Amino acid sequence: EAGVAQSPRYKIIEKRQSVAFWCNPISGHATLYWYQQILGQGPKLLIQFQNNGVVDDSQLPKDRFSAERLKGVDSTLKIQPAKLEDSAVYLCASSSRNYGYTFGSGTRLTVV
Amino acid sequence: GENVEQHPSTLSVQEGDSAVIKCTYSDSASNYFPWYKQELGKRPQLIIDIRSNVGEKKDQRIAVTLNKTAKHFSLHITETQPEDSAVYFCAASLDNDMRFGAGTRLTVKP
Repeated sequence: EAGVAQSPRYKIIEKRQSVAFWCNPISGHATLYWYQQILGQGPKLLIQFQNNGVVDDSQLPKDRFSAERLKGVDSTLKIQPAKLEDSAVYLCASSSRNYGYTFGSGTRLTVV
Repeated sequence: GENVEQHPSTLSVQEGDSAVIKCTYSDSASNYFPWYKQELGKRPQLIIDIRSNVGEKKDQRIAVTLNKTAKHFSLHITETQPEDSAVYFCAASLDNDMRFGAGTRLTVKP
């Protein structure tokens, strides 16, 4: 079974610039998640999709973050404009039911 | 929403000793409790999980216990090895809504 694919692996941008991350979940997984993991902390849920609908985006900073999952498969997470405190690893995960997530390798974002 | 607390934040043990990491959760409806191991620069990897209808589960040197009444669950690693050194995260989940603890950095000294 192929894993959760994410790109890019690394990204360095200046503050106030925009950035987008891409995630391709495991085939057949209806639920997709975006997490933000700041160095030394646990993953923090940003948004959860069930197919192409949003289930939970209560912790997504909507003034600058947006995410979509068109057609219920791939997803993109965008930050516009980025702040220094957005520096983190952005992890995508998918699951088929309540049986544990499979995480992607993540995108390490550095905002300078 | 669910709130998960994890202790200790750091743990150092001698090779061969046991390590115990404890977590508490707030939502009594949570029914799935996985544990993840994250090595430096890598993704979290599921190492063991337990459902609310089970009190204990074991997989070789790793075991997890769950006390639903007290709303806490623990990870036990026996005969620790240097390669067990990593950050461990607990999580509590209901209907695919999973919240993580802050993590425990385990160091196993040879």
